[in-house]
Order: sequence, then C-alpha cells, then structure tokens
Amino acid sequence: KAGVTQTPRYLIKTRGQQVTLSCSPISGHRSVSWYQQTPGQGLQFLFEYFSETQRNKGNFPGRFSGRQFSNSRSEMNVSTLELGDSALYLCASSPVLAGAIETQYFGPGTRLLVL
Amino acid sequence: GNSVTQMEGPVTLSEEAFLTINCTYTATGYPSLFWYVQYPGEGLQLLLKATKADDKGSNKGFEATYRKETTSFHLEKGSVQVSDSAVYFCALSDQSNTGNQFYFGTGTSLTVIP
Repeated sequence: KAGVTQTPRYLIKTRGQQVTLSCSPISGHRSVSWYQQTPGQGLQFLFEYFSETQRNKGNFPGRFSGRQFSNSRSEMNVSTLELGDSALYLCASSPVLAGAIETQYFGPGTRLLVL
Repeated sequence: GNSVTQMEGPVTLSEEAFLTINCTYTATGYPSLFWYVQYPGEGLQLLLKATKADDKGSNKGFEATYRKETTSFHLEKGSVQVSDSAVYFCALSDQSNTGNQFYFGTGTSLTVIP
C-alpha cells in the first residue's frame, strides 16, 4: 500500500498570506490527524478528522483550520501567517477499527517557512 | 489527563553500546503505547507498539515492555548502530468517546558515533 502523502513538501510564504496543505491518507484509512512540529515546542496536535467531521481539536487559534473530503483526503489551512507558524506540518492517518486502539502512520511532512 | 514524559536528550553513544530511553506515562484509561522514530528530514515512523500491560513490542532490535505497575515503556536496544541516529518519540493513545487521540513525548535525540 502507498503511504501517507503530503503536498507540497516545502513552502515559503510571507507574513499575512494564507496557505493550504494537503494530505492523502493510506488507502482505507478514514482518520486523519495534523500536527505542528517545531524545535521549541515539539510535536503539537492540531486536529483530527474522521468521516469529514472534526473529531478532536488541539489548542491552536482559529487561523488554523482543516477539512476532510469524502475520499478521506484532508487539507489544512493557515490564514494570516505569522513568523511563528514556520514549522514542519505532519499528517497522520489511522484505520478506524471498532473497539480497538488505532495506530497512526505519518507522512513526510510539509516544511513551511514564513518570512 | 493523559501525558507522556521522556528522558531529556541529546544522547550520544558509541557504536555497539547499549541504549535505554526512558518513557513514563499518565493515563486515565487503558492506553496503547508506541515508540516512533524520526530520521532527519522525514516524518515519524512507527517503531513498535504494545496494546496491553506486560506486552513487549519489538522491531529492528529495539524492545519496549508495557509496565502498568510503573507506568513505563522504556525503549532498549542491545547494540546500537550509526544508522540508529534519529529522534525517538514515545506516545500513548487512549480510546475516548471522541475517538483515539495521541499524546507524544518531547522526543529524545540519539547520536551514535563510530
């Protein structure tokens, strides 16, 4: 099976712009989670989508949003970019198995640099 | 609440040395425990997991045992190689009425020198 793919891999934006990142999960996985990784804060959970609905949300401002499509592909959007948004954004997908703990499988990430 | 605490890094070892990276957790339910590895410039890869107490996860010479009595999931390898240089993350997943949410430790950077 193909792994989780993320596009683009690298992105440079300027302050005030907005950006959209894309994630295609492993085939058959219906849950997609997003994380922000920075050297200072480590891995921080942004949100999780399952069946086109946001199921869990981390502690990020409303500038960070996401959505999931009927084919389980997900996008996240960051509006009004700030310098502090420079980070590696990781997407992870999980199969959803009734009554079982899910394992998350990560993509390679999108590295965003805000100038 | 749920949380994961990992030993601080960075850790530097010589090739063939024994590795231990400590991980302890706090959980309200019955979590599954994971170790992920991140190589430079890449995403996280699942290294091993354990889903219940006393389970041992193992992969590529790495092992970790789910100890409920000490709430720990320490990562060990008997003989490290230069290629093991990476950042290691301990994580837990706990099932709740809003699905599964993962909680990650801060990561431990390992450098293996020849």
